Amino acid sequence: NAGVTQTPKFRILKIGQSMTLQCTQDMNHNYMYWYRQDPGMGLKLIYYSVGAGITDKGEVPNGYNVSRSTTEDFPLRLELAAPSQTSVYFCASSYPHSYNEQFFGPGTRLTVL
Amino acid sequence: TQLLEQSPQFLSIQEGENLTVYCNSSSVFSSLQWYRQEPGEGPVLLVTVVTGGEVKKLKRLTFQFGDARKDSSLHITAAQPGDTGLYLCAGRTGTASKLTFGTGTRLQVTL
Repeated sequence: NAGVTQTPKFRILKIGQSMTLQCTQDMNHNYMYWYRQDPGMGLKLIYYSVGAGITDKGEVPNGYNVSRSTTEDFPLRLELAAPSQTSVYFCASSYPHSYNEQFFGPGTRLTVL
Repeated sequence: TQLLEQSPQFLSIQEGENLTVYCNSSSVFSSLQWYRQEPGEGPVLLVTVVTGGEVKKLKRLTFQFGDARKDSSLHITAAQPGDTGLYLCAGRTGTASKLTFGTGTRLQVTL
């Protein structure tokens, strides 16, 4: 099993550009999450999903959108990128019948200039 | 809004020293997890504690859940350079589908 995979690993965007961060998991987990981590800080929840077709906002959803058409995939869309969105983005998944123990991907480092 | 405060924020120690990291909240959690994140990687789960007062050991790491399930501690005995990383606690309320992550403790262990 590959676990949680994220692409791309690195990306530089110009202000106003858009992009999609990809996240795929092969563990058949129902729950999936997107976090951002600013330098030296903890994790802030952007969006999460408890199953295909169901998404909900986290702490910091502004400027982002998500969709969940399959159990495996949970892409994060950035519209009109801003310097404040410079961060490392982590995708995670968990199995609902555990204590919500989360498995994380390797992250995408995004810089907006 | 639930907050999980971790202390200290930064810790730099020499190999062989002992240390304790604290995770505190005013909220009650049904379970609490500890993760370690190494530079350039995603967090990796170390342990989950569920019962108030519970103590779990993972080699040289000892985790304790507070009696009231509002706080937790991580004690490392004889730290090694391989323990270097960001330690994050995360609490779950009831059967919620999301976690509240702590502010993090960055540990550096030098030779």
